[in-house]
Formats: sequence, C-alpha cells, structure tokens
Amino acid sequence: SQTIHQWPATLVQPVGSPLSLECTVEGTSNPNLYWYRQAAGRGLQLLFYSIGIDQISSEVPQNLSASRPQDRQFILSSKKLLLSDSGFYLCAWSRLAGGLSDEQFFGPGTRLTVL
Amino acid sequence: SQQGEEDPQALSIQEGENATMNCSYKTSINNLQWYRQNSGRGLVHLILIRSNEREKHSGRLRVTLDTSKKSSSLLITASRAADTASYFCATDARAGANSKLTFGKGITLSVRP
Repeated sequence: SQTIHQWPATLVQPVGSPLSLECTVEGTSNPNLYWYRQAAGRGLQLLFYSIGIDQISSEVPQNLSASRPQDRQFILSSKKLLLSDSGFYLCAWSRLAGGLSDEQFFGPGTRLTVL
Repeated sequence: SQQGEEDPQALSIQEGENATMNCSYKTSINNLQWYRQNSGRGLVHLILIRSNEREKHSGRLRVTLDTSKKSSSLLITASRAADTASYFCATDARAGANSKLTFGKGITLSVRP
C-alpha cells in the first residue's frame, strides 16, 4: 500500500531563517506531487506541483521554492522566511496516469509558525 | 477566484441526523471531489464524481452533481460524532491537459453526541 510522510510535524522558525520541509511517498512510482498551504480557517492554496524529477511548476509567486531530487521525494524550501509564510503545509500525491485532477492522497502536514 | 465554494460555512447537527453540504462552482469541470479533514490533519479523499455522472454512493455518503446548475451536494446519512470534521469540495477548471484541482474554503461540520 502507498504511504506519504511529511516532516517535521511542527516547526517554529524566526523571520529571516531558512526552511526545508520534506515529503516522501512509498509504495508507488512516478507520482504527481503537490505542495499546498492552508491558512487558518481557509481552503488549500496550491503552491507547487511536479510531474517528474526536476520538473516543478509554481502556481503563485512567492518566497518559497520546491525541488524534486528523487522520484518520490518533494522538498519545500525558503532562503529567508517571512511572517506571512506561517501556515499548515500539506504534501499530496496522485497517480501520474490520472492527471493533475485525479484523486489526491495527502500527508499529515507540517504546522509552520514564523515569529 | 475560488472555483468551488461550499455552503454553509458551518453546520451543527445532532448525532443520527443527516448532514447536507453544498458546493457551487463557476466553470465546466472534468470531475468534482469531496475531501474530509480532521482538525490539524491532512485531507482524506471521500468520493469523486465525474461530469457525466449525476449521483454516487459510498457507504453513508451520497454525492450528487448538477452540471446545469454547476453545483454538487454531499449527504452524510445517520451522522456520528466521529463525522465531526471540515469538508472540502475540489474541482478542476478543465483548463487543458494540466487541469488542476481547486479547493473551496470548506464546511465545518459538528455532530453533537
């Protein structure tokens, strides 16, 4: 069966510090991968998606970047965090064959607080 | 702009009652999906209904889709306290091969024991 992991679960970082959030998927190959941010009481905002290694698409201009160094690893980074980067970050995957609007499977999320 | 918008924003019912949640969208879609999120957790996929389908069932869940009205409803029958969660609809805007899901803001469902 497939599983998706995210770490860390929670993170408190000062403004201006770097960020690295990691997501890995097990039990499948060639998945589509996604990074979302969820602000308190809000829906999900798609930040990045990837259809393959080193193939990253950004949905919104922002202070963040994403990388996919391996087929089942997706990393969200920032060189200098802003207060507005606080939120709940969710990684998800879907089957490549299903396309980007197929059923998505979400990780447990990372709660980021920037102080 | 938001593609899928849920209604109501919050719903409180007694255990055993049915819960009906609605989602409206603006553009043509390939499919519409409903997800559930427990507080502080990731989303869990509940059901996917395609644009050529009108109704789907999964256990105590019933989803309808009316493409002429650009709306969908999620019905949870015989609700339980464990159904307390936020529910999101997600649609794809049929913007070509790379059509992606857009999530609404969610409905907070509280089921009182």
